[in-house]
Amino acid sequence: NIVMTQSPKSMSISVGDRVTMNCKASQNVGNNIAWYQQKPGQSPKLLIYYASNRYTGVPDRFTGGGYGTDFTLTINSVQAEDAAFYYCQRIYNSPWTFGGGTKLELK
Amino acid sequence: EVQLVESGGGLVQPGRSLKLSCAASGFTFSDYAMAWVRQAPKKGLEWVATIIYDGSSTYYRDSVKGRFTISRDNAKSTLYLQMDSLRSEDTATYYCARHHSSYPNWFAYWGQGTLVTVSS
Repeated sequence: NIVMTQSPKSMSISVGDRVTMNCKASQNVGNNIAWYQQKPGQSPKLLIYYASNRYTGVPDRFTGGGYGTDFTLTINSVQAEDAAFYYCQRIYNSPWTFGGGTKLELK
Repeated sequence: EVQLVESGGGLVQPGRSLKLSCAASGFTFSDYAMAWVRQAPKKGLEWVATIIYDGSSTYYRDSVKGRFTISRDNAKSTLYLQMDSLRSEDTATYYCARHHSSYPNWFAYWGQGTLVTVSS
């Protein structure tokens, strides 16, 4: 099975900073990656699909990139409401594996 | 507005069974693949099972194969997860999620989750 590895596990950022988090697939998955945001006490929300397509209503400060095995989620000018866990997911073929997540904290 | 409302969670002893339900509304249920995703306390997301739009194909993670059964009733717009031979490691919040289309891909919508605790 393909393993999805996210890094770093956590990061502490100031409001207004730019942040990039990573997701690495153990095999080539093309652009078949999605990103989700999960705030404390809430269910996950879709941010990005097919590696770089922003979902409806997602602010344009969120940008996804990458292809093959290495993917990134970048948040430009981080806002206080962006404090959350972020998960990548392989979206083609079973199992639809998630990465372990990156926790974004605000200083 | 798309709504997914899970029910059926609770405290259950190891080895026993539990059946979760997910009532869907706000979209044509029979047009979409559906899934269950779980999250153990303080842990990450873990895909559990998926069923395609007409129920003709199902998929499971290895650790639940042979113990869990995903099913759907398109006439009632309801998704189910029958969980048998429960183990302590099945303790988690179980989310109902809608795939983007008839066949599995990303999860466009999520319910609020129902907590399953497996403990004696």
